[in-house]
Amino acid sequence: EAGVAQSPRYKIIEKRQSVAFWCNPISGHATLYWYQQILGQGPKLLIQFQNNGVVDDSQLPKDRFSAERLKGVDSTLKIQPAKLEDSAVYLCASSLRLAGNTGELFFGEGSRLTVL
Amino acid sequence: EDQVTQSPEALRLQEGESSSLNCSYTVSGLRGLFWYRQDPGKGPEFLFTLYSAGEEKEKERLKATLTKKESFLHITAPKPEDSATYLCAVQAIGQGAQKLVFGQGTRLTINP
Repeated sequence: EAGVAQSPRYKIIEKRQSVAFWCNPISGHATLYWYQQILGQGPKLLIQFQNNGVVDDSQLPKDRFSAERLKGVDSTLKIQPAKLEDSAVYLCASSLRLAGNTGELFFGEGSRLTVL
Repeated sequence: EDQVTQSPEALRLQEGESSSLNCSYTVSGLRGLFWYRQDPGKGPEFLFTLYSAGEEKEKERLKATLTKKESFLHITAPKPEDSATYLCAVQAIGQGAQKLVFGQGTRLTINP
């Protein structure tokens, strides 16, 4: 079974530039998550989708971050304009349903962003 | 606010030397506590879910336990391939989105 696919794996940009990350979840998984992991810290939830709809985006910096999930499958996360503090690994995860009973999320390998 | 604190931040052991990792949590009402393993350059990989105090789960050399305030991940006779960062996360009752709140992780190194 194919896992969660993310691209690009690495991205280096200047501050104030924009960047987009793409995620393809495991087939059949209704719930998709974007997490931000700063070096030395645990992942922090940015946004959670259930099919096409947003379930939780309370920690998404909406002045610069946006995300969408078209047709309930692939998702993109965009940052515009980027700041130095956005340097992190952006992890996409999926689960069969809301992380309710088991807490089992399937993570991709992440997209590492460096903002100079 | 839900909080998860893991200790130690880093732990170095010799192969075969057993030890425990700690996860202390503060949550309004615990729905579940989860352990994940993360290898360098990879995303976290699910290990266990614990739901109530007194519960235990085992997988190979790993055993997770849960009390009302903390969880332990016991590693028995570890091997070098057990080297990784171990993440603990909690999920609170009543949060509509049922999101996971992660700790900062414990970086475990097993020397041959």
